[in-house]
Amino acid sequence: AQSVTQLGSHVSVSEGALVLLRCNYSSSVPPYLFWYVQYPNQGLQLLLKYTTGATLVKGINGFEAEFKKSETSFHLTKPSAHMSDAAEYFCAVSPGGSYIPTFGRGTSLIVHP
Amino acid sequence: DAGVTQSPTHLIKTRGQQVTLRCSPKSGHDTVSWYQQALGQGPQFIFQYYEEEERQRGNFPDRFSGHQFPNYSSELNVNALLLGDSALYLCASSMGQSSTDTQYFGPGTRLTVL
Repeated sequence: AQSVTQLGSHVSVSEGALVLLRCNYSSSVPPYLFWYVQYPNQGLQLLLKYTTGATLVKGINGFEAEFKKSETSFHLTKPSAHMSDAAEYFCAVSPGGSYIPTFGRGTSLIVHP
Repeated sequence: DAGVTQSPTHLIKTRGQQVTLRCSPKSGHDTVSWYQQALGQGPQFIFQYYEEEERQRGNFPDRFSGHQFPNYSSELNVNALLLGDSALYLCASSMGQSSTDTQYFGPGTRLTVL
């Protein structure tokens, strides 16, 4: 069985500061990893995904994440936060070959002016 | 191009009742998945439909059932509603069943069970 742990239910940063949202996973087989963003009263939107190949994955809106197998982590970063980045972020894992994804509980990103 | 649409937006039911939620996938998509998102939680996978059949199912009781129509739209039915069924129900569509296929989510249906 797979699981996802997102450290910190809330992360607060100043506009222009580095954004770091943490995600650790467990999976018995090589995982596929995803980050989604959810704005209020909206569905989830895929930011980026890792399946195979390059471990540094670039996504939309300037976000990127690095798959570190030895640390079982897939942290999401953005060099400079914008006010529009304020939203809920979800990390998800899907064991390779199996479709059923497991989501973390989410991290709320708060951006201060 | 319309994205994934869901109806209704909000719904209030009482315990023991039955509810049907509807989803129209993004144009060109043939696979629909349903998720339950309780308040303050991440989405939980309910099931996935492809070619009008349930292909995968998460850890949900048989009270949760679904259907996919020839035009790829889908319904989620929940019988004998419990208070714990109160949640945001999300529909996601994709072109294919693979884990690598990008899912596009609808805005969800907020179900409140009283």
